[in-house]
Amino acid sequence: DAGITQSPRHKVTETGTPVTLRCHQTENHRYMYWYRQDPGHGLRLIHYSYGVKDTDKGEVSDGYSVSRSKTEDFLLTLESATSSQTSVYFCATEQAGSNYGYTFGSGTRLTVV
Amino acid sequence: QKEVEQDPGPLSVPEGAIVSLNCTYSNSAFQYFMWYRQYSRKGPELLMYTYSSGNKEDGRFTAQVDKSSKYISLFIRDSQPSDSATYLCAMTSLGAGNKLTFGGGTRVLVKP
Repeated sequence: DAGITQSPRHKVTETGTPVTLRCHQTENHRYMYWYRQDPGHGLRLIHYSYGVKDTDKGEVSDGYSVSRSKTEDFLLTLESATSSQTSVYFCATEQAGSNYGYTFGSGTRLTVV
Repeated sequence: QKEVEQDPGPLSVPEGAIVSLNCTYSNSAFQYFMWYRQYSRKGPELLMYTYSSGNKEDGRFTAQVDKSSKYISLFIRDSQPSDSATYLCAMTSLGAGNKLTFGGGTRVLVKP
C-alpha cells in the first residue's frame, strides 16, 4: 500500500451522523477512486476523480459525496450514515507502469449502528 | 445478472497443487484484464495484467484470456500456503474512464 494512506482505519458511528473518510496519496496520480466491498457484491465503485475538482459518480453513489481540492487528497463523505453503509471502504489510485491497474489503500472498516 | 461473474469458493487445495480460477463476463468491449490478490483485512494488490486475448506467465502464475468465450483464467502452479487469499478478477474497456469492473472474488485456501 505504499503511497496511499486511508484514515481512519476503523470507525463506528451512529445512524444519521455525517462521516468523512480520507484518502491521501503521495505519488501525484491523476485518477483516484472510492470503492466499497461487501460480501456477495465484491468491489463496487462509489465515486472517482480524474483531477482536482473533477469527480464523477460510480454505480453506488447514492448517499455519498466526494471532494478533491488537492491532487493528493480525495475525501468521501456519507452525508447521513445508514446501516446499509456499513462496509469496508477502499481508496485506489492508478498504478504506475500498468495500464488501468490500481493500487489500493488498506481500507477503512466502517460500522453504522 | 452481474457483468462479471466469479465463483466465490472457497476453493481448498493441498500444497503443491495447481489452483485454477476463472471469471466470465458479458461485456464484449472489455479489453484489459487483471487479477488481484487480497489477503484478509488488506487491500487488493495487482497480480497479473493482460491485454486482449492470449496467455501471460509470471513465475508460478499464468493468466489466460479467451475473448471469444468471454472467459478469463488464472492458474497458480506449485501452490503454497502463502497463496491462501481471495483472488479478484477485474476488467475494463477503452473509454471507460479508467474504471474497473470487478468480480466478486474467489477465496482460496492452500493446506500444508
